[in-house]
Amino acid sequence: DAGVTQSPTHLIKTRGQQVTLRCSPISGHKSVSWYQQVLGQGPQFIFQYYEKEERGRGNFPDRFSARQFPNYSSELNVNALLLGDSALYLCASSLEGGLMNTEAFFGQGTRLTVV
Amino acid sequence: AQTVTQSQPEMSVQEAETVTLSCTYDTSENNYYLFWYKQPPSRQMILVIRQEAYKQQNATENRFSVNFQKAAKSFSLKISDSQLGDTAMYFCAFISWTGNQFYFGTGTSLTVIP
Repeated sequence: DAGVTQSPTHLIKTRGQQVTLRCSPISGHKSVSWYQQVLGQGPQFIFQYYEKEERGRGNFPDRFSARQFPNYSSELNVNALLLGDSALYLCASSLEGGLMNTEAFFGQGTRLTVV
Repeated sequence: AQTVTQSQPEMSVQEAETVTLSCTYDTSENNYYLFWYKQPPSRQMILVIRQEAYKQQNATENRFSVNFQKAAKSFSLKISDSQLGDTAMYFCAFISWTGNQFYFGTGTSLTVIP
């Protein structure tokens, strides 16, 4: 059974460009969350989607947006890239939106470098 | 607001020895969950152990155990019989009772020395 898959694994973008990151959750999981992990820091929450609706948003600017598709896969979009957006972007999937009674499984992340 | 603090950026331990990683947190909530996640060089976060705040008994998972001190808001991870495969970043994390997001600490880089 496939785990959480993220694509691409690495990419390099120029300041001001836009980027789209993709995440496929574990089969049967209806919730997808996105985290940003800057080098040397712990992951920071960006968004959670459950049943295709936004259920939570972290303290990130409006340049960050996301959506979840009918098949529960998700995309994270970042516009007008800044050097500070360089980070590992992690996707996590879970059966339900609340994380108390369900385990979250993480993908291997997308390493974004902005030059 | 919830905060998680890991004060040990780096630690090392000899293979087969025991090591303890520290974590403190701050919250005004009474019910919550605490976690330790492992992030090896492959970058994938892997759940090591979890603890429900309403349970007084410390959680254990094979060689991994926690010392949960609710009043002190402390949640340390003990790794017994350390193995080379334990080399990784370890993150302490918190979620509230109704929460849908993890609050992570800054991590501890653990190296197991042969």
